[in-house]
Amino acid sequence: EPEVTQTPSHQVTQMGQEVILRCVPISNHLYFYWYRQILGQKVEFLVSFYNNEISEKSEIFDDQFSVERPDGSNFTLKIRSTKLEDSAMYFCASRGTNYGYTFGSGTRLTVV
Amino acid sequence: TQLLEQSPQFLSIQEGENLTVYCNSSSVFSSLQWYRQEPGEGPVLLVTVVTGGEVKKLKRLTFQFGDARKDSSLHITAAQTGDTGLYLCAGAGGSGGYQKVTFGTGTKLQVIP
Repeated sequence: EPEVTQTPSHQVTQMGQEVILRCVPISNHLYFYWYRQILGQKVEFLVSFYNNEISEKSEIFDDQFSVERPDGSNFTLKIRSTKLEDSAMYFCASRGTNYGYTFGSGTRLTVV
Repeated sequence: TQLLEQSPQFLSIQEGENLTVYCNSSSVFSSLQWYRQEPGEGPVLLVTVVTGGEVKKLKRLTFQFGDARKDSSLHITAAQTGDTGLYLCAGAGGSGGYQKVTFGTGTKLQVIP
């Protein structure tokens, strides 16, 4: 069954450093998303991406965040200057023309 | 902001019992999805319901979408220990095909042998 692949599975970074989280969505999907889940809290929407541009973003997705689909297969989330409160599981998801979303296994980001 | 409240938050039952998890909102959704999430993993889609009043069955799991498309329920018949996990409902809304999903607060189910 097709799956969404995320790398790395775990990243530890120092506060103030830039991180890039990578995702390979399902190849024929059109819509791409990033969500995050702080430990013990619910899954929160960050951003949706369609037709090579951001279609919607949440209040969490401030100027420190950016997304890119550089080569037609990868979908990346960049955090420019990480803060302690950015520590969370980050999930990438993609969706085709039906309603079902496929989520990746996530990247656990730890900011120290 | 669309909010989805799930109840109960925690549920511990004996194997073989039946249970129902509820997902409620004041917002209307174009579709409602149920996911199961294991610790350290991403949510895995179980089912999507689209039409108000729709009922879908997945083996021992029965999902229903409310007539007004604001609420949903998940009923498990004869629970097994393998059903243990975190169950999340998620509503899809917004205009355009890129509809994001808003996740509920989650129901942590423990099935005791």
